[in-house]
Amino acid sequence: AQRVTQPEKLLSVFKGAPVELKCNYSYSGSPELFWYVQYSRQRLQLLLRHISRESIKGFTADLNKGETSFHLKKPFAQEEDSAMYYCALAGATNKLIFGTGTLLAVQP
Amino acid sequence: DGGITQSPKYLFRKEGQNVTLSCEQNLNHDAMYWYRQDPGQGLRLIYYSQIVNDFQKGDIAEGYSVSREKKESFPLTVTSAQKNPTAFYLCASSRFRAGSANTEAFFGQGTRLTVV
Repeated sequence: AQRVTQPEKLLSVFKGAPVELKCNYSYSGSPELFWYVQYSRQRLQLLLRHISRESIKGFTADLNKGETSFHLKKPFAQEEDSAMYYCALAGATNKLIFGTGTLLAVQP
Repeated sequence: DGGITQSPKYLFRKEGQNVTLSCEQNLNHDAMYWYRQDPGQGLRLIYYSQIVNDFQKGDIAEGYSVSREKKESFPLTVTSAQKNPTAFYLCASSRFRAGSANTEAFFGQGTRLTVV
């Protein structure tokens, strides 16, 4: 079965502090992992995916198959990073499922 | 202007009535999805379709039905059998090629359904 777990409902940090949003998954095959973001009053949109191994808006995420994790990190948080972040997993049949989301609040 | 459009934005339904939510995309995407978003529960997959005339149940399909007669359209019907239909519904689409990496999913603006 596919499952994505985001243990934190809310993460509050100060501007300039490091950020780590946790994501763990369960999947028997080779998963594809994504981070999606929803800013206030905007549509849900892709932030990054593990297969691209890229940094977007200073965020990075590394797939750790041993720990079945795909944590999202940023060394220095900005106020404009405040948003809802969802970890997502796609399996071989293109079934795309999401975690429960983490609200990131960056305080000035 | 390309994209994915959901209508209506707000929908009210009386208990015991079926209601259909519209989702249309002009991105030429093969795959389409329906999710339900409730506070604290994230996005839960209702149904998804990889190709025209084919669809699969997601994790919470009970009380819902879909059709995929055209590539561009994937309407969701919330039936009277759905015990707690009041929610925010999101539709998405993505380009899908079997055996290839999954591509970015694009989302609609959502439909808020309220049962009165």
